[in-house]
This record gives sequence, structure tokens and C-alpha cells, in this order.
Amino acid sequence: AQKVTQAQTEISVVEKEDVTLDCVYETRDTTYYLFWYKQPPSGELVFLIRRNSFDEQNEISGRYSWNFQKSTSSFNFTITASQVVDSAVYFCALSENYNNNDMRFGAGTRLTVKP
Amino acid sequence: DAGITQSPRHKVTETGTPVTLRCHQTENHRYMYWYRQDPGHGLRLIHYSYGVKDTDKGEVSDGYSVSRSKTEDFLLTLESATSSQTSVYFCAISESGANTGELFFGEGSRLTVL
Repeated sequence: AQKVTQAQTEISVVEKEDVTLDCVYETRDTTYYLFWYKQPPSGELVFLIRRNSFDEQNEISGRYSWNFQKSTSSFNFTITASQVVDSAVYFCALSENYNNNDMRFGAGTRLTVKP
Repeated sequence: DAGITQSPRHKVTETGTPVTLRCHQTENHRYMYWYRQDPGHGLRLIHYSYGVKDTDKGEVSDGYSVSRSKTEDFLLTLESATSSQTSVYFCAISESGANTGELFFGEGSRLTVL
């Protein structure tokens, strides 16, 4: 079955620092989809991005950017010039085309941005 | 915001009692999911539904059952709650499935089994 590893359990940075959250995945499917979700202290989960396995272009959205590399099975997330409001738990997730309703999440990385 | 309501939001119960969590959506989305969130595990899929009366098991389905008699409601039942089922439960919905589109999550239901 597919697997997602987020090795960084907790990260703490000072505001305006750049920070990268790592995500490594395992799958046997050639068609799959990768996601990032944010869970702020209020508890709800917010969708950030979806990528399919055929699209390795990096994505930038404001201060957020994502680096997808199939060669290393990684889908890393970088926040540039971090802000206190970025403090949250961030989850990387993977779903395979074969079983497209079984989205597997990593354990999450808790990011704390200090003023 | 996606119209998803979970109830109850908080519940404390005793081992061996039955518990039902309800997820109600107003988006008319076909797919509905129940996840549990535990420290160190992220979110894990319990059951999902791909239509009325159509459900399937997820990664951690043992001890749980679900029912979907209407498009808008997806019920999660713990027939006999155990302490290992203490968790935060999230309902999610999707219009076209968990890979083709994003999941919209409810606010979560915190269950404590004593």
C-alpha cells in the first residue's frame, strides 16, 4: 500500500525565515496524486495543493512553493518569509489511481513561527 | 466554506457503549469519508462512501461500521466503544473522489472513551 513519510515532527522558526517541510512517498502505481493540507490551531483541515504524477512542474503560490521530484519520491513544501499565521500542522497525502478513495496521510509536521 | 456539519462535536463515553457520529453535508457531493486523527499517525481512513448505500472499508475499519441512507448523511457507528477509539474523527466530502479533487473536511468530533 502507499505510504507517506514526514520525517520532521516539529519545526520552529523565527518570523521571516524560510522553511521547508519534507514529504517522501512510496507507491507502486504509476499514476498517483499528491496533496498538502494545513491544520491551523483551530483544528480544521484546509486544502493547499494537488499534484498528479505526470506533472513535475514546481508550483508557486504567493509565499508557498512546492517541489515535486519523482526521482527522489519527494514532494516538499517551502514557505518563504514565514509569518506567525503560518503556524499549523501540515500534512502531506497521497492517493493512487488504483484505489482512488484511499488517501494516505503522513503523520504531519507541526510548524511554529515565532515573532 | 463547504457545508459540512459533524455532530456531536465532543463526546465522552464509557467502554462498551455504542456511539454514533453523524456527518451532514449540504453540497450534494457523491463521496463521503470518515477519518480518525491520532498523534504520530496523521489521518487514517476508516470508511468511505461513493453513493447512497455504497460504502467500503478503509485502512482502520475494524470496530467501526457506517451507513449512508441519504446523500447528505454519513453515519459512523462504534458498536462497542473501546479506549483505543479515543480520537478526533473527521468527516470529509468530495465531488469527484479523493484523488481527482480536494477533500473538504468538517470541524471534527472529539471522542473520549473512558
